[in-house]
Amino acid sequence: DVKVTQSSRYLVKRTGEKVFLECVQDMDHENMFWYRQDPGLGLRLIYFSYDVKMKEKGDIPEGYSVSREKKERFSLILESASTNQTSMYLCASSFQGTGANVLTFGAGSRLTVL
Amino acid sequence: ILNVEQSPQSLHVQEGDSTNFTCSFPSSNFYALHWYRWETAKSPEALFVMTLNGDEKKKGRISATLNTKEGYSYLYIKGSQPEDSATYLCASDSNYQLIWGAGTKLIIKP
Repeated sequence: DVKVTQSSRYLVKRTGEKVFLECVQDMDHENMFWYRQDPGLGLRLIYFSYDVKMKEKGDIPEGYSVSREKKERFSLILESASTNQTSMYLCASSFQGTGANVLTFGAGSRLTVL
Repeated sequence: ILNVEQSPQSLHVQEGDSTNFTCSFPSSNFYALHWYRWETAKSPEALFVMTLNGDEKKKGRISATLNTKEGYSYLYIKGSQPEDSATYLCASDSNYQLIWGAGTKLIIKP
């Protein structure tokens, strides 16, 4: 019963290529997030969205953009991939309610930029 | 930016032994503390969310405690099994954003 699906498990791209990472959730969650995970560092928030067509910058948005045209889908776009964007990318979603919001994660997309 | 520290960075434990590790977080602007388990090739999954000082939560052989005044949480695993091998992540929740630690990688030796 997969709840958050990331389109690609592994990708290899060349410097300068445009890269799309897709994320779909089937839990009707309002909130969606894109993180990257690098060795020795905690998860770092790239962008998040609280509603359709709405986006907010996280801690490290430079070099990335996002799109949320439908509630269930949140796409991360690298307009011109660079080697320092080689990383594990995690998508997550959560309900928008009172109390601490527990995240449901996808399995991750490992991107290598050559 | 708040810092969340997890220690140790990695840990090898003999099957059957019990173990514990630490998450330290700034006690100011505290709202909740999250623990997640991330097994290789799988999605991180939520273990616990704790909000109250002195809170203790348990899920099978895994338990966690919270001290919000001094800013730390312990995760305990009793009688480690191979399926406990994973990276354990904690995150401090200020009700505005989550700040994540780098994780403790636990390897259970058979």
